[in-house]
Amino acid sequence: DAKTTQPNSMESNEEEPVHLPCNHSTISGTDYIHWYRQLPSQGPEYVIHGLTSNVNNRMASLAIAEDRKSSTLILHRATLRDAAVYYCIEGTSYDKVIFGPGTSLSVIP
Amino acid sequence: GAGVSQSPRYKVAKRGQDVALRCDPISGHVSLFWYQQALGQGPEFLTYFQNEAQLDKSGLPSDRFFAERPEGSVSTLKIQRTQQEDSAVYLCASSPRQATPDKEAFFGQGTRLTVV
Repeated sequence: DAKTTQPNSMESNEEEPVHLPCNHSTISGTDYIHWYRQLPSQGPEYVIHGLTSNVNNRMASLAIAEDRKSSTLILHRATLRDAAVYYCIEGTSYDKVIFGPGTSLSVIP
Repeated sequence: GAGVSQSPRYKVAKRGQDVALRCDPISGHVSLFWYQQALGQGPEFLTYFQNEAQLDKSGLPSDRFFAERPEGSVSTLKIQRTQQEDSAVYLCASSPRQATPDKEAFFGQGTRLTVV
C-alpha cells in the first residue's frame, strides 16, 4: 500500500508557481522520495527524486523537510501542459514503484 | 523507438476470451513492471521481472493473470477468461537498474482493455 498522503486535487493559475505537498511520515532513512506525473491518456512520467537535500531539474524543484516526513514539489511557472495527476512515492529498497491516488492538478488559463 | 512500447493500444475482448498484451521495454533495461490502472485510480502493481526472472507477482489479482519475459526483453501479460472487472489500462514500465532505491522507471502509454 502507498505510504504517502497528498491532497486529492489542487488548482493553479497559469504562469504562477505551484506547490504540491506530500506527507511521508513513516519514511525510512534510506528511502528516496520520488515524484511522477501522469498526463491524460498517458503513462506516468518521472519528474524528480531526492533523499535529503533539495533538488532541482528542468521540470521542477523538490523541497524536502529536514525531518524528511514531508516534501513539496514546486512547479515554478505552471503551464496548461502541467495539468496532470502528480504522484508522490516513497522509494523502497526494492525496485517497484507503489502509487497512491495522487493529486490532480488543474491549471486555469 | 527510444521509449517503452506497448501493443495493442486498445483491446476490446468479449467476456471469457483470452488476451495477450505486449510490452517492449527500453533496450538494455534490466527491470520490467506491469501495472493495472482502473479509471480514476492510481496504477496498481501487478508483477516485476529482473531480466527473465519474475521476482514478484504478488499483485496479480488471480490465477487468470500470467506474465512472462522469456529472454529478458519483451514481456507479455496474458489474461485468461477475461471478466468485466479486468477492464482497465495496463501499463508497462522498465528501469535500467536493479534493486536500488534511487530508481527511475519509464512507462509506456498503456493498453486500454475493455471487456464486454
